[in-house]
Amino acid sequence: DSGVTQTPKHLITATGQRVTLRCSPRSGDLSVYWYQQSLDQGLQFLIQYYNGEERAKGNILERFSAQQFPDLHSELNLSSLELGDSALYFCASSAGLAGNYNEQFFGPGTRLTVL
Amino acid sequence: AQSVTQLGSHVSVSEGALVLLRCNYSSSVPPYLFWYVQYPNQGLQLLLKYTSAATLVKGINGFEAEFKKSETSFHLTKPSAHMSDAAEYFCAVRGYSGGYQKVTFGTGTKLQVIP
Repeated sequence: DSGVTQTPKHLITATGQRVTLRCSPRSGDLSVYWYQQSLDQGLQFLIQYYNGEERAKGNILERFSAQQFPDLHSELNLSSLELGDSALYFCASSAGLAGNYNEQFFGPGTRLTVL
Repeated sequence: AQSVTQLGSHVSVSEGALVLLRCNYSSSVPPYLFWYVQYPNQGLQLLLKYTSAATLVKGINGFEAEFKKSETSFHLTKPSAHMSDAAEYFCAVRGYSGGYQKVTFGTGTKLQVIP
């Protein structure tokens, strides 16, 4: 158990819909990262927050947005969903900024299926 | 910019045989390098990391990796494969994006262990 929790575990929805994925980092971790893992694209970094502020952006679509709240939990919002958005979405957390000596701890993921 | 290249998306070894998973990196700054493992239906878990101390890094579950600057490599090895080692392995490098640090993952190598 990494200490990072993600809800829900599974999500099935239809094209065009909007969903919100939630992540609670390990106690004391200030950084939260979002990743998308699919069979054709592999593991893709989406976005990073540090203590409530956006710090790095990866391959995140404009239809996707995220935020980190004062209690440090984070939400990833996916809108106008397409079939190709079906994937595993992972959240990770670390004590400080990425790299350094800070290991990223991954949550169990949310499996999104868009029908 | 930083990147990692993992040679071989699938590797098969017999139980008891040497495991060798290859990773080459590119980084404009002294690299911090990581190996993560993902077991089926789980999130990623850190195996080991190199942060410019000893070039031979020992990790969990009997894995180790050697940093070779001249070859820009950070290959993962284990002397004797176990069935429980069957998983997907990701190499990653610390780099910078927009002035902030971020970690870039490779495309992963699926390890199959044959009894």
